[in-house]
Amino acid sequence: KAGVTQTPRYLIKTRGQQVTLSCSPISGHRSVSWYQQTPGQGLQFLFEYFSETQRNKGNFPGRFSGRQFSNSRSEMNVSTLELGDSALYLCASSLRTSGVGTDTQYFGPGTRLTVL
Amino acid sequence: GENVEQHPSTLSVQEGDSAVIKCTYSDSASNYFPWYKQELGKGPQLIIDIRSNVGEKKDQRIAVTLNKTAKHFSLHITETQPEDSAVYFCAAILPGGGADGLTFGKGTHLIIQP
Repeated sequence: KAGVTQTPRYLIKTRGQQVTLSCSPISGHRSVSWYQQTPGQGLQFLFEYFSETQRNKGNFPGRFSGRQFSNSRSEMNVSTLELGDSALYLCASSLRTSGVGTDTQYFGPGTRLTVL
Repeated sequence: GENVEQHPSTLSVQEGDSAVIKCTYSDSASNYFPWYKQELGKGPQLIIDIRSNVGEKKDQRIAVTLNKTAKHFSLHITETQPEDSAVYFCAAILPGGGADGLTFGKGTHLIIQP
């Protein structure tokens, strides 16, 4: 079974621009979560989507948004990019069968975003 | 929200020796505790997990223990090999995920000395 895929793998943008990252979950997985990884803050939760609805949201500004499609694929968008948005953005998928968010999460390779 | 502390930040062991990484969590309601291994340029890879109704779980050279009373859990790697060198993260999550999703520790850089 194919793992979680993320595109693109690398992105370079300038301040003020916006960016869209894509995530395809493992086949059959219905939940997609997004995380930001930086050397200073570590791994931080952005949001989770399940059945095309945002179920949980971390403590990030409104410039960070996402959506999920009917095939469970997800995109996240960052508008008005700032230098501090440079990070590895990770997507994780899970079955979400229990409905209580404790299903195993499997991560993709990430998208490395550099903001200049 | 949940807070996870992880120690040590760097751990160097001789090949063949054992390695132990420890984590503590703050919210007693957390009920799932996975461990991830991250190699350079890759995403975190799940290596083992434990749920709050279990005290210990083992998978070949890797084991995890959970002490709910003390709110800490540990990763044990025996007979370490060069390919075990990586950054290891512990995590905890509340039922339903909440506003924190998986809350991660800051990571432990495990170095296996030949």
